[in-house]
Amino acid sequence: EDQVTQSPEALRLQEGESSSLNCSYTVSGLRGLFWYRQDPGKGPEFLFTLYSAGEEKEKERLKATLTKKESFLHITAPKPEDSATYLCAVFGGYNKLIFGAGTRLAVHP
Amino acid sequence: EPEVTQTPSHQVTQMGQEVILRCVPISNHLYFYWYRQILGQKVEFLVSFYNNEISEKSEIFDDQFSVERPDGSNFTLKIRSTKLEDSAMYFCASTRELSTDTQYFGPGTRLTVL
Repeated sequence: EDQVTQSPEALRLQEGESSSLNCSYTVSGLRGLFWYRQDPGKGPEFLFTLYSAGEEKEKERLKATLTKKESFLHITAPKPEDSATYLCAVFGGYNKLIFGAGTRLAVHP
Repeated sequence: EPEVTQTPSHQVTQMGQEVILRCVPISNHLYFYWYRQILGQKVEFLVSFYNNEISEKSEIFDDQFSVERPDGSNFTLKIRSTKLEDSAMYFCASTRELSTDTQYFGPGTRLTVL
């Protein structure tokens, strides 16, 4: 069964304190791994798509990497405005997304 | 920048009533989806829709649910007889192509069933 597990569930950082979020997945034939950001009461906001092991994508303070079993979202020198829930998802079945439970990130000044 | 829009932002209804949630996907997108997120839980797939047909649906999407594209711009989710457990955020998403294209999500409709 296709599955996505994210860790940690919650992460508290001081402004400027870099860290990484983990997404491990089990899927038969990876066709894409997605990172989204979700603010409270809002819809998921697209960040990155990764398709193959070794691929990396960057956007401002965020960098996503992919291996054959997991993906990492690295946050460099975070700011309070980076506080959100970060969701990882993979394609399962025909073309539905299977989401992990997310990592709630809080960045304090 | 084109975006997916949803109305209403919040819908309150009585148990047993019918509700229709509306979405306007990005204009050149061809594939449409509904997901839901119960408070504090994962985002869950409900249904995908292409060429006026359901492509795939989850176990959650039973006979009480239906989807429709009534015109060239709207995409709707109908729940015929709401239950307390239908209370959730409902997200519409769209993508230009099938396969590995990115799904873009709307802001959601919060459905509260009393």
